[in-house]
Amino acid sequence: KQEVTQIPAALSVPEGENLVLNCSFTDSAIYNLQWFRQDPGKGLTSLLLIQSSQREQTSGRLNASLDKSSGRSTLYIAASQPGDSATYLCAVLDGGGSQGNLIFGKGTKLSVKP
Amino acid sequence: DADVTQTPRNRITKTGKRIMLECSQTKGHDRMYWYRQDPGLGLRLIYYSFDVKDINKGEISDGYSVSRQAQAKFSLSLESAIPNQTALYFCATSDLRTRLNEQFFGPGTRLTVL
Repeated sequence: KQEVTQIPAALSVPEGENLVLNCSFTDSAIYNLQWFRQDPGKGLTSLLLIQSSQREQTSGRLNASLDKSSGRSTLYIAASQPGDSATYLCAVLDGGGSQGNLIFGKGTKLSVKP
Repeated sequence: DADVTQTPRNRITKTGKRIMLECSQTKGHDRMYWYRQDPGLGLRLIYYSFDVKDINKGEISDGYSVSRQAQAKFSLSLESAIPNQTALYFCATSDLRTRLNEQFFGPGTRLTVL
């Protein structure tokens, strides 16, 4: 059974710092991996999707990498801002992709201090 | 206007009551999903539907039922609500045609069962 783990569970950094959030998964047979952002009491916003054949994706100050063979993904946030404070969720889409079953990690709660 | 909407946004009910949560989307996506989020457990899939005539159980379907009334509408019902169904419920959609299966989430419904 696929399991997704995110470390650390919580992270507090000063504004301007570059930071890395980690995600690991136990079964490398994934279709893709998605990073989401969740603000308190709100829904999930899709940040980046990496297909299983890709190594990384970039959007603005965000860069996500994928090493499928080792079961790891990282989300790099450059020059962090207080507005980046949120919970970041990693999710993998299992197997052939047709099942639609996203398996989520429990998230990393990020706090960026001004 | 939001692409994926959920009603109600908040609901308080009593044990044994029947509850229906509704999801509508204007994205034209064929696939729709229901998840629940619990503190410390992350998001888990309840049911998913790949088109109007297709319904599939997810990881935690017991105590729930769904109806796909149209391509744009997917409802989740709790036949007889119990306190451990207190959670944040999310609807999501994805588009098979893109082959990415990137999932987009609604704002969530906070359900409290007393």
